[in-house]
Amino acid sequence: DVKVTQSSRYLVKRTGEKVFLECVQDMDHENMFWYRQDPGLGLRLIYFSYDVKMKEKGDIPEGYSVSREKKERFSLILESASTNQTSMYLCASSPLPSSSYEQYFGPGTRLTVT
Amino acid sequence: AQSVTQPDIHITVSEGASLELRCNYSYGATPYLFWYVQSPGQGLQLLLKYFSGDTLVQGIKGFEAEFKRSQSSFNLRKPSVHWSDAAEYFCAVALLTNRDDKIIFGKGTRLHILP
Repeated sequence: DVKVTQSSRYLVKRTGEKVFLECVQDMDHENMFWYRQDPGLGLRLIYFSYDVKMKEKGDIPEGYSVSREKKERFSLILESASTNQTSMYLCASSPLPSSSYEQYFGPGTRLTVT
Repeated sequence: AQSVTQPDIHITVSEGASLELRCNYSYGATPYLFWYVQSPGQGLQLLLKYFSGDTLVQGIKGFEAEFKRSQSSFNLRKPSVHWSDAAEYFCAVALLTNRDDKIIFGKGTRLHILP
């Protein structure tokens, strides 16, 4: 059974902290994605990666960075967390090309920045 | 610009009633189309997808969707809903151009079921 796991389901951080969200997939997929989900705004793409050490900006990359050192792992980094980054964060993976395949999602991390 | 519109933010239906969730897209070519479902506290799960061929697509959990090119629509239907269908539903369009290879999601429709 395919699986995408995220390191935390719930996370509470303080403003200014550096935050790491980890995502691991066991399907040998080339593509990995980070989205944030907010009520009324749906899913918005933050960053994606189609290969190890490769990254591409999505629609809302400001305030975020990513790291992909291994094929199965894709990390989202908030360099200095702010309250407007309180959100649900979803990781997904898919084979290439991403438009031709479904994306497999993790359960999400609900991040609260106080 | 390419876009996906789900005009209904919330829909409420009675258990056992039929359901139709609307999705319209704006895209120059025939897109790849998806419907995902998100149960409370969970990630998204694929219900069904359309790439080509028969415009009526069957999915999991008794759902189906029909692609209508003339209306740029891909509406999701179910003949009789169950309480467990209460969730948020997302329509998505895949782009494959020289510049983009990604999926655009609609903003979602939250389905409420009355007992």
